[in-house]
Amino acid sequence: GQQVMQIPQYQHVQEGEDFTTYCNSSTTLSNIQWYKQRPGGHPVFLIQLVKSGEVKKQKRLTFQFGEAKKNSSLHITATQTTDVGTYFCAGTRNSGGSNYKLTFGKGTLLTVNP
Amino acid sequence: NAGVTQTPKFQVLKTGQSMTLQCAQDMNHEYMSWYRQDPGMGLRLIHYSVGAGITDQGEVPNGYNVSRSTTEDFPLRLLSAAPSQTSVYFCASSYAGARQGRNGYTFGSGTRLTVV
Repeated sequence: GQQVMQIPQYQHVQEGEDFTTYCNSSTTLSNIQWYKQRPGGHPVFLIQLVKSGEVKKQKRLTFQFGEAKKNSSLHITATQTTDVGTYFCAGTRNSGGSNYKLTFGKGTLLTVNP
Repeated sequence: NAGVTQTPKFQVLKTGQSMTLQCAQDMNHEYMSWYRQDPGMGLRLIHYSVGAGITDQGEVPNGYNVSRSTTEDFPLRLLSAAPSQTSVYFCASSYAGARQGRNGYTFGSGTRLTVV
């Protein structure tokens, strides 16, 4: 079945350092989504990427979708303590940007030392 | 707007007991899904539904049943609880197609289930 691999599993940074998490799929994806889960909370949708090579920014967060639509990355510039949490990528093979049968990676836990 | 409401928030079951985890959404979302979250395993899809009357299995369906009689409700039934079903369960819902700025799943706050 479809698998979505995410690395690293954990990342600890000093406040102000940059952070990147990577997501790789065994199959071509129709879209990829990113979620953030604060400790003890539930996943919260951040963004969806649909197009090959797409890059989107949300303030200090930059999201990329690979040209082959098999990999993606999330980069945070100058981390803050509010960035602490687990970041998940999730992909689907269904066309049209839909959320059909979304498969999640195992997530990257980010901790930030103030 | 309540979003996705899950009940109960916490539950302790004895091995062999059955129970139903409730999930309701008020956003008129077509898609609903159940995920379980275990340490180091991420979110694994149990069952999902693309509309009322339509359900299908996800990655880890064994030991669980679902039904979707209305758009709003998507209960998850544990038939005979086992310690391996100790987990955090999340219900999530979304629109079926891409909607500008409103894609992605909305998650409930979760049910923390312990089976002893």
